[in-house]
Amino acid sequence: GENVEQHPSTLSVQEGDSAVIKCTYSDSASNYFPWYKQELGKRPQLIIDIRSNVGEKKDQRIAVTLNKTAKHFSLHITETQPEDSAVYFCAASKGTGRRALTFGSGTRLQVQP
Amino acid sequence: DTAVSQTPKYLVTQMGNDKSIKCEQNLGHDTMYWYKQDSKKFLKIMFSYNNKELIINETVPNRFSPKSPDKAHLNLHINSLELGDSAVYFCASSQEGAEQFFGPGTRLTVL
Repeated sequence: GENVEQHPSTLSVQEGDSAVIKCTYSDSASNYFPWYKQELGKRPQLIIDIRSNVGEKKDQRIAVTLNKTAKHFSLHITETQPEDSAVYFCAASKGTGRRALTFGSGTRLQVQP
Repeated sequence: DTAVSQTPKYLVTQMGNDKSIKCEQNLGHDTMYWYKQDSKKFLKIMFSYNNKELIINETVPNRFSPKSPDKAHLNLHINSLELGDSAVYFCASSQEGAEQFFGPGTRLTVL
């Protein structure tokens, strides 16, 4: 089955700096790659996603890049703010219908004011 | 107007007991899921279900069984609870091929 690896496990940055989280996946048939943000005690919430027919996607301060050949994808957060502090999960799934997600192990991002 | 809801939010019980967690979605989605998040925050799929097919992750013990009375509900029954079942259980739903929405989670503690 699919295996998703995520690095780093923890990341501390100063407010205003950029943060980058990287994931690799094993199943070349995977075609959907969402990123979820989970605040303490809360549910995971989708912040951005990318499909395999696209190499990059941006939404304000957040961007995701996908390299299908290397089977890795990355989350980039620019101009970080304290409210960006949370655990971020990458995930992968395949197919066009039901998409059970295989998650990475999570990255705890701390933005220091 | 909650999209995906779960009850109870907290569940504390003794080893060996049988318990259920309920999940409801009002989004009209066709697929529902159960995920388990352990103490190290690992999120792992347990089941995915639509009105046609149930897919069970092979690592899930058969003490766990999903029950879907209708398209908007997917409940999780757990028999003979063990200490290792302590975790946060998240229900989620999606429309075919689209974003998954997660419920608020149920924190299960087995004593």
